[in-house]
Amino acid sequence: KAGVTQTPRYLIKTRGQQVTLSCSPISGHRSVSWYQQTPGQGLQFLFEYFSETQRNKGNFPGRFSGRQFSNSRSEMNVSTLELGDSALYLCASSLVKGSTYEQYFGPGTRLTVT
Amino acid sequence: GNSVTQMEGPVTLSEEAFLTINCTYTATGYPSLFWYVQYPGEGLQLLLKATKADDKGSNKGFEATYRKETTSFHLEKGSVQVSDSAVYFCALTPNSGGYQKVTFGTGTKLQVIP
Repeated sequence: KAGVTQTPRYLIKTRGQQVTLSCSPISGHRSVSWYQQTPGQGLQFLFEYFSETQRNKGNFPGRFSGRQFSNSRSEMNVSTLELGDSALYLCASSLVKGSTYEQYFGPGTRLTVT
Repeated sequence: GNSVTQMEGPVTLSEEAFLTINCTYTATGYPSLFWYVQYPGEGLQLLLKATKADDKGSNKGFEATYRKETTSFHLEKGSVQVSDSAVYFCALTPNSGGYQKVTFGTGTKLQVIP
């Protein structure tokens, strides 16, 4: 099975611009979560989608948004970019096995805001 | 709420040394416990897991035992290699069925020197 894929892998944007990142989950996985990873804050949960619905959201401003399509692919968008948005953005697709919930991560998109 | 505490890094070891990375958790009930590994420039990979007390997860020479009495899930390896240099994350899910928020530790960087 192919793993989680994220595009693009690297991105450089300017303050004030907006950006859209894409994530394709493992085939059969219907849940997609997004995380922001920075050296200072570590891994922070952004949001999670299941069957095109946002089920949970982290503590990020409204500039961060996402959506999920009927084929489970997901996108996240960041508007009005700030320097502090520079980070590795990780997508994870999830599988429920019995009562256990496992996440499988993509390689991430490295966003640099200048 | 749930929380995961990992030992601060970086941990620097010589090749073939014994590795222990401590992880303790706070959660109600009986969570599932995970170790993820992140190699430089990559996303997180699931390394091993344990879903109930006294379970031992193992993979690639790494082991961790779910200790309910000490609320711990320490990662161990008998003989580390340079290729094990990475950041290791301890994590838990509440085992409540369906979608479950994953709680991550802050990560421990391991450097193995030849």
